[in-house]
Amino acid sequence: GAGVSQSPSNKVTEKGKDVELRCDPISGHTALYWYRQSLGQGLEFLIYFQGNSAPDKSGLPSDRFSAERTGGSVSTLTIQRTQQEDSAVYLCASSIGLPPSEQFFGPGTRLTVL
Amino acid sequence: AQSVTQPDIHITVSEGASLELRCNYSYGATPYLFWYVQSPGQGLQLLLKYFSGDTLVQGIKGFEAEFKRSQSSFNLRKPSVHWSDAAEYFCAVGGGSYIPTFGRGTSLIVHP
Repeated sequence: GAGVSQSPSNKVTEKGKDVELRCDPISGHTALYWYRQSLGQGLEFLIYFQGNSAPDKSGLPSDRFSAERTGGSVSTLTIQRTQQEDSAVYLCASSIGLPPSEQFFGPGTRLTVL
Repeated sequence: AQSVTQPDIHITVSEGASLELRCNYSYGATPYLFWYVQSPGQGLQLLLKYFSGDTLVQGIKGFEAEFKRSQSSFNLRKPSVHWSDAAEYFCAVGGGSYIPTFGRGTSLIVHP
């Protein structure tokens, strides 16, 4: 069975542009998480979706960041007006149950903002 | 609030030597504890987890970890390290309905 997939694997953009990062979770997993991993840092929680419930957006660093999850499956993380400090690896994970269940991670999208 | 401390940023060991990676957590009740490994360019993979029961937990790839409530620790161990174990290791803590909190990670370097 397929794992969590993310696209693109790498994204280079110019400061001020908008970017969209995609995550395809494992089929049947009701929970989906987005994390940001900066160089030398741990995983910074961004947002959490569980089924049809309202997402937990408590980790989003600014209103330039948003995410949606369509049909309880695919998720898109959007960063508007990108800044250089947004450069990081963005990881998506899914799990079959409520937190703190085991999470299955995708390979990440490396975002570079010039 | 929950938190995790991984005091070692880098650990260097020789191939065949034993390994212990430290993890200390802060959580008000019995925690759920995880160790994940991240190879270069990859996502995180679960090595092992502790939810309840036996405090010595066996995981994949020959790793084990021991939950010590008195020390608020969940250290990861392996008796003999292989070159392929070189990676970034993350400890995480969760509990109740809280989303797991991850440590900053420990980078393992293996010398031949």
